[in-house]
Amino acid sequence: AQSVAQPEDQVNVAEGNPLTVKCTYSVSGNPYLFWYVQYPNRGLQFLLKYITGDNLVKGSYGFEAEFNKSQTSFHLKKPSALVSDSALYFCAADGNKLVFGAGTILRVKS
Amino acid sequence: DTEVTQTPKHLVMGMTNKKSLKCEQHMGHRAMYWYKQKAKKPPELMFVYSYEKLSINESVPSRFSPECPNSSLLNLHLHALQPEDSALYLCASSPRAGPNQPQHFGDGTRLSIL
Repeated sequence: AQSVAQPEDQVNVAEGNPLTVKCTYSVSGNPYLFWYVQYPNRGLQFLLKYITGDNLVKGSYGFEAEFNKSQTSFHLKKPSALVSDSALYFCAADGNKLVFGAGTILRVKS
Repeated sequence: DTEVTQTPKHLVMGMTNKKSLKCEQHMGHRAMYWYKQKAKKPPELMFVYSYEKLSINESVPSRFSPECPNSSLLNLHLHALQPEDSALYLCASSPRAGPNQPQHFGDGTRLSIL
């Protein structure tokens, strides 16, 4: 069975500082990994995905994620946070269905 | 603007009512999904349709009845719901069902059961 863990309920960062939202996974076979973001009163928006290839994946809105097979991690990163990045972030793994982590609230303060 | 449109945005219904949620996409996607989401929790998969056929039912109670009339539309028929069914119901679509397909989500229907 596949599972995804997001160890932080909330991450706080100052505007302009780099941000990291952590994700670890447990899947059998090749992992298909995703990050989604959810703003208040909205559905989820796809940010980026890892299928195979480069370990650094670039996505929407300046986000990127680093795949680390040995640590089974897929952390979301951004070099310079914006207040508008404040939202709920979900890491997900896909085998025969999409399995989400519990979510991490990102708060960026000006 | 989202490319997956869900109506209504809000729905309040009694436990004896019958109502339907609607979802529409015009991206040519052949996989469509229903999820249930409680506040600040991850979405929980309910149903998957692939090429208009039900391919996954996550042991959802029969008071929820999905329907896919054509490749662009997905309905969720509701009957005799319970208070614990109050949640945000999200529809999503992807080009095909499969593990490397990003899903496009609508903004959901917020359902309240009285």
